[in-house]
Amino acid sequence: EAGVAQSPRYKIIEKRQSVAFWCNPISGHATLYWYQQILGQGPKLLIQFQNNGVVDDSQLPKDRFSAERLKGVDSTLKIQPAKLEDSAVYLCASSLLASGAFGETQYFGPGTRLLVL
Amino acid sequence: GESVGLHLPTLSVQEGDNSIINCAYSNSASDYFIWYKQESGKGPQFIIDIRSNMDKRQGQRVTVLLNKTVKHLSLQIAATQPGDSAVYFCAEKRGATNKLIFGTGTLLAVQP
Repeated sequence: EAGVAQSPRYKIIEKRQSVAFWCNPISGHATLYWYQQILGQGPKLLIQFQNNGVVDDSQLPKDRFSAERLKGVDSTLKIQPAKLEDSAVYLCASSLLASGAFGETQYFGPGTRLLVL
Repeated sequence: GESVGLHLPTLSVQEGDNSIINCAYSNSASDYFIWYKQESGKGPQFIIDIRSNMDKRQGQRVTVLLNKTVKHLSLQIAATQPGDSAVYFCAEKRGATNKLIFGTGTLLAVQP
């Protein structure tokens, strides 16, 4: 089966500009996650969707970050305006069952590498 | 605060040797742990998982050990190969929402 798709793979912007990332999860997966991975660190969850509803966005900097999953399939993550500290890899993941299912594996996409200058 | 962390940031082994990657966690209520492998330029890839009611689980060339008494998790890779070179993360499932808390990672370097 096809994996999680993300685009673009790389993005370079200047601070205060805006940027958007796109994710297409594995077909049929109900739950979608966006993670931020700063160089040398483990991924940190930004937001979690179940179908098109938000389950957890407690660590999303809502003053500049936004995300949506309007039809319960694809998702976009936006940063506006970007700061230098937003330089990171943004990973999208999906899992088959509804959130809360014990041991449900999350499958990750290749990530989008963002550099803010 | 609660966290999941790793003892060794870098581990260098000879090809064919066994590798052991360690991880400490602080949330005694966690009920599920996962090891992920992340190669350069790629997203994390699931390796193996273990529930808190188990102390050992084996996969193909990999074994995960869980010691709840000291809140310690380890990943053992048998007959390490060059293709095993990557960063390895342990992750802890927390709460009812399947939220994963990742540690900082260990870089495994396999010397030919």
